[in-house]
Amino acid sequence: GNSVTQMEGPVTLSEEAFLTINCTYTATGYPSLFWYVQYPGEGLQLLLKATKADDKGSNKGFEATYRKETTSFHLEKGSVQVSDSAVYFCALSASGGSYIPTFGRGTSLIVHP
Amino acid sequence: SAVISQKPSRDICQRGTSLTIQCQVDSQVTMMFWYRQQPGQSLTLIATANQGSEATYESGFVIDKFPISRPNLTFSTLTVSNMSPEDSSIYLCSVDGLAGVTDTQYFGPGTRLTVL
Repeated sequence: GNSVTQMEGPVTLSEEAFLTINCTYTATGYPSLFWYVQYPGEGLQLLLKATKADDKGSNKGFEATYRKETTSFHLEKGSVQVSDSAVYFCALSASGGSYIPTFGRGTSLIVHP
Repeated sequence: SAVISQKPSRDICQRGTSLTIQCQVDSQVTMMFWYRQQPGQSLTLIATANQGSEATYESGFVIDKFPISRPNLTFSTLTVSNMSPEDSSIYLCSVDGLAGVTDTQYFGPGTRLTVL
């Protein structure tokens, strides 16, 4: 079946540091890949998505590239801010079905001033 | 993008009571879903809310405990029945089919439930 594996958190960084949150997946076919963000006390927001190999999703300074050869979709940001502190979820939705996503366990990011 | 709202945003309930959570979307959508997020955990799908027919429940969730309604293409309710402290979670509704995009789910702000 489909699965998503994210790096364990929390990830703790100082402001303006470089961020990488690793995500790898297992799926049949050609899934769409997503990063969602959950700020404290809020629901999930779609951060970015990519629908085919080598696509790069980007939003709010975050980027992730769909790497089919390594089945990865790592999230990166060049310079994090305190306001980026949140939980980040990697997810996939499989083609040919109802598109109900499979979520990773989430990675907590804490950014200190 | 569409606005998805949930009511209530949070509640504290007594054991043995029931709570109904509402999800409203400001445009018609094909699919609506209900998730549970237990403290510090990822999301677990409870059921797909089908318009005009009974909801489709995932393994481990039953209609008697989590009855769902979906009377039209913009509204759904989830009831958490006969609550126990183990039901303390965030309950999230989500939708897809917004603007014809069928591979992406968008989430409401969630309902934070505490059962004493």
